[in-house]
Amino acid sequence: QVQLVQSGAEVKKPGASVKVSCKVSGYRFTELSMHWVRQAPGKGLEWMGGFDPEEDENIYAQKFQGRVTMSEDTSTDTAYMELSSLRSEDTAIYFCARLQFLGWFDPWGQGTLVTVSS
Amino acid sequence: EIVMTQSPATLSVSPGERATLSCRASQSVSGNLAWFQLQPGQAPRLLIFGASTRATGIPARFRGSGSGTEFTLTISSLQSEDFAVYYCHQYHNWPRTFGQGTKVEIK
Repeated sequence: QVQLVQSGAEVKKPGASVKVSCKVSGYRFTELSMHWVRQAPGKGLEWMGGFDPEEDENIYAQKFQGRVTMSEDTSTDTAYMELSSLRSEDTAIYFCARLQFLGWFDPWGQGTLVTVSS
Repeated sequence: EIVMTQSPATLSVSPGERATLSCRASQSVSGNLAWFQLQPGQAPRLLIFGASTRATGIPARFRGSGSGTEFTLTISSLQSEDFAVYYCHQYHNWPRTFGQGTKVEIK
């Protein structure tokens, strides 16, 4: 059974960067396509991007283009999401989620709260 | 981008009663529609995929229906653990999009 365990909460100042990790267990990491979704306070779920196996590359929501980088370390079975030039509106819970073969997300990590505050 | 619109925003239901949640897509997503349950402090939980297929371990009181642009999630006989926020999600194409959520609260 695939399990995704994320890194702990972060507090960052505006303009800084944050890197959130998502460690995978219970499955061959190289066969996973990982995606990232966030939820700002009082808001809904927002897809940020992830690996598209059909195109064999990462794809990002237009809103985050140029500011987000998604990567992985196969030696530690860990996926990463780095968001730069943080602003207060980036305060949110960030989730990693596995893209299933037929397209939906399951399972999800437990979430990482990122707070951006001066 | 496909816009997903859920209604109502909040649904007040008594335990044991039925809840009916709606989700509309701005263009056809065929049957590529999932429902998630989100509880505070927890990971989103997949309830339904393929518009009507329950995920592993999901009780039969959760039923998804619809295709194209109109979808419904019905929760028959609400249990205490069902009070949460529910999101519909289209995976028909990129970018993936979610509805804004329906909060099911205790009446």
